Amino acid sequence: KAGVTQTPRYLIKTRGQQVTLSCSPISGHRSVSWYQQTPGQGLQFLFEYFSETQRNKGNFPGRFSGRQFSNSRSEMNVSTLELGDSALYLCASSFFAPGPNLNTEAFFGQGTRLTVV
Amino acid sequence: TQLLKQSPQFLSIQEGENLTVYCNSSSVFSSLQWYRQEPGEGPVLLVTVVTGGEVKKLKRLTFQFGDARKDSSLHITAAQPGDTGLYLCAGLDGGSQGNLIFGKGTKLSVKP
Repeated sequence: KAGVTQTPRYLIKTRGQQVTLSCSPISGHRSVSWYQQTPGQGLQFLFEYFSETQRNKGNFPGRFSGRQFSNSRSEMNVSTLELGDSALYLCASSFFAPGPNLNTEAFFGQGTRLTVV
Repeated sequence: TQLLKQSPQFLSIQEGENLTVYCNSSSVFSSLQWYRQEPGEGPVLLVTVVTGGEVKKLKRLTFQFGDARKDSSLHITAAQPGDTGLYLCAGLDGGSQGNLIFGKGTKLSVKP
């Protein structure tokens, strides 16, 4: 079956612009999580959606937002881009929402490499 | 928020050597996962450990979950160049509904 698809793979934006990234989960998966990965901070959780509802949000400013559609596809948006937003943005999908016993496997996409200049 | 500390941060070894990487926390985790990430790719799940003291083997990889469920280790026997990558441990943040938190990873390079 097809894996998690993230588009675009690479993106270069200018400071102050906004950007929208897309994630198509594995068919049948209803949970989508977004992460930011940088060399200094590693993988940091942005937010998680399940059945179109944001269930959880990480410690990122309000410039970072997301949504999930009825077909489980998800988008994240970053407004007023800053140089520090340059990172690999990863999305992960799973059948169940993450539970207390990690009883569901998260499948990651290849990521979108965002460069802010 | 619970924290996961991984060590060493970088590891460069020759093919055939053994190695161990560690994932430590001051908090108790109900379970931990290990992922491997190769350049240009997203992380791929290797194993989930859920019971204190549990040992799981995946070919040349041995994963152990500490008795107190605060730490975990990954041991690779006879490393191969194909083992090169970033090894990440992850656990559920107990203060939330269950988002994964990750350690910063161990970057492993195995030279032929």
